[in-house]
Amino acid sequence: NAGVTQTPKFQVLKTGQSMTLQCAQDMNHEYMSWYRQDPGMGLRLIHYSVGAGITDQGEVPNGYNVSRSTTEDFPLRLLSAAPSQTSVYFCASSGGVRLGAFFGQGTRLTVV
Amino acid sequence: GESVGLHLPTLSVQEGDNSIINCAYSNSASDYFIWYKQESGKGPQFIIDIRSNMDKRQGQRVTVLLNKTVKHLSLQIAATQPGDSAVYFCAERGSNYKLTFGKGTLLTVNP
Repeated sequence: NAGVTQTPKFQVLKTGQSMTLQCAQDMNHEYMSWYRQDPGMGLRLIHYSVGAGITDQGEVPNGYNVSRSTTEDFPLRLLSAAPSQTSVYFCASSGGVRLGAFFGQGTRLTVV
Repeated sequence: GESVGLHLPTLSVQEGDNSIINCAYSNSASDYFIWYKQESGKGPQFIIDIRSNMDKRQGQRVTVLLNKTVKHLSLQIAATQPGDSAVYFCAERGSNYKLTFGKGTLLTVNP
């Protein structure tokens, strides 16, 4: 059972480049979410989804887009990367009220 | 607004001692709380949760206490081991099932 899988693990982008962080879960969970983790800031919610076709904004959504075309996948898109988006990104999923109970291993993104 | 904070940013204990990590929350409407453990370079790992209609919940070597009167949450780790060294986060669920995380406490276990 793979759980929550994030790819890539590491990425370096130049300012203005775009990319997609992938997240997939094999637990048939309805709830999925994206967080960013910065030193001294804890985990902050970017976007979340309560089911396929449904997404909503979290605490820090600006500069990020998401979609949820299937139950399994919840990609996070950076349309035009900025140095302020340098962070560690975590995807999480939950099958019920334990929203965010299972986390992926993270993607460390550096924007130069 | 909603906020979750921790009283102690760092905690150092001797192996075999009990550890207590504290957390304060401000949203009295929060109905569900979770403790996570995060080791260096890894994602947060679920430890234990508690609903607002409970005061105490026990797991394997861990106990979570919830005091709704003073909006305080604590995680107790019995017989702390070196493998328990990590950052511990509390999180609360408020409106729309969103989780709000505290900034974390670094637990260091000395052999």
